[in-house]
Amino acid sequence: GIQVEQSPPDLILQEGANSTLRCNFSDSVNNLQWFHQNPWGQLINLFYIPSGTKQNGRLSATTVATERYSLLYISSSQTTDSGVYFCAVGLSGGYNKLIFGAGTRLAVHP
Amino acid sequence: SQTIHQWPATLVQPVGSPLSLECTVEGTSNPNLYWYRQAAGRGLQLLFYSIGIDQISSEVPQNLSASRPQDRQFILSSKKLLLSDSGFYLCAWSLTETQYFGPGTRLLVL
Repeated sequence: GIQVEQSPPDLILQEGANSTLRCNFSDSVNNLQWFHQNPWGQLINLFYIPSGTKQNGRLSATTVATERYSLLYISSSQTTDSGVYFCAVGLSGGYNKLIFGAGTRLAVHP
Repeated sequence: SQTIHQWPATLVQPVGSPLSLECTVEGTSNPNLYWYRQAAGRGLQLLFYSIGIDQISSEVPQNLSASRPQDRQFILSSKKLLLSDSGFYLCAWSLTETQYFGPGTRLLVL
């Protein structure tokens, strides 16, 4: 089956720093989403981005489908950005089933 | 707007006891529904998905089952819990590619 690898597994930042999270996937996908899981476990959808670039405030994401990777950029990080960031991919004809990576655990210190 | 509810929020059960977790969605019709499990410090694993009433597909062989008796109700069950069933159970819904997650149920099997 398709493999989803995220890096780095852990990241510690000072408030105000920028960061880049990476997601590599092993096969062609028609669905790629980035999620943020807060310390209480709630998963929030950040981006649906099977290709191209999107931006939402301090967050932006880029997916290069032909090279099978996606990047999530966090600029001017804040303590509320702490948590786990997941990349999830889906295959065509798969009823929108998602396969999740192991996540990147981010801690932003004041 | 759409909302998704899960209950209970936390549950401690002895090995061998039955299980019933409930998920309901408000504000939408005919959603795809999903059950995921997250082990401590790990990514999410898809357990079941449903495209309609009484239409359930299982992704992982285990002692869990799922049912969808109504359009916006999804139930996860077990007749006899195992220690390995401990984890964080998340329900999600989608109409298109984007999935939206409920608050989750933390299950501890002792």
